[in-house]
Amino acid sequence: DTAVSQTPKYLVTQMGNDKSIKCEQNLGHDTMYWYKQDSKKFLKIMFSYNNKELIINETVPNRFSPKSPDKAHLNLHINSLELGDSAVYFCASSRGQGRQYFGAGTRLSVL
Amino acid sequence: GENVEQHPSTLSVQEGDSAVIKCTYSDSASNYFPWYKQELGKRPQLIIDIRSNVGEKKDQRIAVTLNKTAKHFSLHITETQPEDSAVYFCAASIFGNEKLTFGTGTRLTIIP
Repeated sequence: DTAVSQTPKYLVTQMGNDKSIKCEQNLGHDTMYWYKQDSKKFLKIMFSYNNKELIINETVPNRFSPKSPDKAHLNLHINSLELGDSAVYFCASSRGQGRQYFGAGTRLSVL
Repeated sequence: GENVEQHPSTLSVQEGDSAVIKCTYSDSASNYFPWYKQELGKRPQLIIDIRSNVGEKKDQRIAVTLNKTAKHFSLHITETQPEDSAVYFCAASIFGNEKLTFGTGTRLTIIP
């Protein structure tokens, strides 16, 4: 059983479209995260939820909107996609300030 | 906010030799320092972590050392093997804060 799973694995779309990425964890963790890894491999936190409450909200365009229906799920919706949004998006989870475990990533390509 | 610097950006080591990657952090309130290994096309995987109440931690061929006074921590890999080739990231988080700030990564290549 995959601990942190995200779908889809690949996403190819046109500029201006809206897309969503889903994440689920079965580790019983209370905190979930979205990270963006750009072409230079920099890993940057975007958002974090603890028990469905937004606790980290970095400087991210408001075209990006996270949603956490329950503490095992965290989704990311992106409106009006731009070329610069092309990256790998990783979901992760932890128990508070504990070890973070990453999903396999979603490679987003905006054409 | 926290800032983490990582050096070197690339490192090539002969198989069997040791590799050392160094990171410095800016916020003295940081108390948690994990290291992640990311193979090509894969997810970052936690390989070892240390908290600020400990100066050194070892797990088989991997060790991490922490110098709180100087605000730096290092990853040591001994008896390197080809499967150690990957990008390694250090990270730090401030006490009570789940936010991890990552270093810029070190691409380690083990030369057979």
